[in-house]
Amino acid sequence: GAVVSQHPSRVICKSGTSVKIECRSLDFQATTMFWYRQFPKQSLMLMATSNEGSKATYEQGVEKDKFLINHASLTLSTLTVTSAHPEDSSFYICSSRAGGKDTQYFGPGTRLTVL
Amino acid sequence: AQKITQTQPGMFVQEKEAVTLDCTYDTSDQSYGLFWYKQPSSGEMIFLIYQGSYDEQNATEGRYSLNFQKARKSANLVISASQLGDSAMYFCAMREPDSGNTPLVFGKGTRLSVIA
Repeated sequence: GAVVSQHPSRVICKSGTSVKIECRSLDFQATTMFWYRQFPKQSLMLMATSNEGSKATYEQGVEKDKFLINHASLTLSTLTVTSAHPEDSSFYICSSRAGGKDTQYFGPGTRLTVL
Repeated sequence: AQKITQTQPGMFVQEKEAVTLDCTYDTSDQSYGLFWYKQPSSGEMIFLIYQGSYDEQNATEGRYSLNFQKARKSANLVISASQLGDSAMYFCAMREPDSGNTPLVFGKGTRLSVIA
């Protein structure tokens, strides 16, 4: 199946710093990338939808100035958590569709811990 | 209203037995897609099976099958011959409409534990 990579897999940072998470589609062109967040023992919640070359669409309650999404190419989307705080600690995971409609692939996720 | 409902927070099954994980959904769209994913402790989301709303046959992928009952709006996952490695969280998800720019909406998940 199609491969989506994500980097870093794990990051620990101090409160107030910014963290960038990269999501790459390795063998297909990702016109649309979805970003999800998963808190411990909970389900995946959609944060935003990014389309290559245009502004991301954020879900209600997600601060667009805090979670900056850039989708500058068909193979790379980035999520930057700005001025991170402990409550931003979570598992962030990207996803895109490749090929037929029965596909929706996920990156391996990034576990963010803010101290 | 919740789009995807998984009523079983946790399930136990004996190794080599079959198990059914429940999923009901809510939509007024004619076109939608239903997915099941497995999430082990590592966190990765592993795609298991897909059922399109227009598909007349129940989807099957190896030991996984999807019991699609459209009138009841249910899409239960059946795992046959359970293995210890099947222990994980399982998420049911829906995409409506079933197009490339539509994200998946997930249920709360069911934690499956396979007992030796």
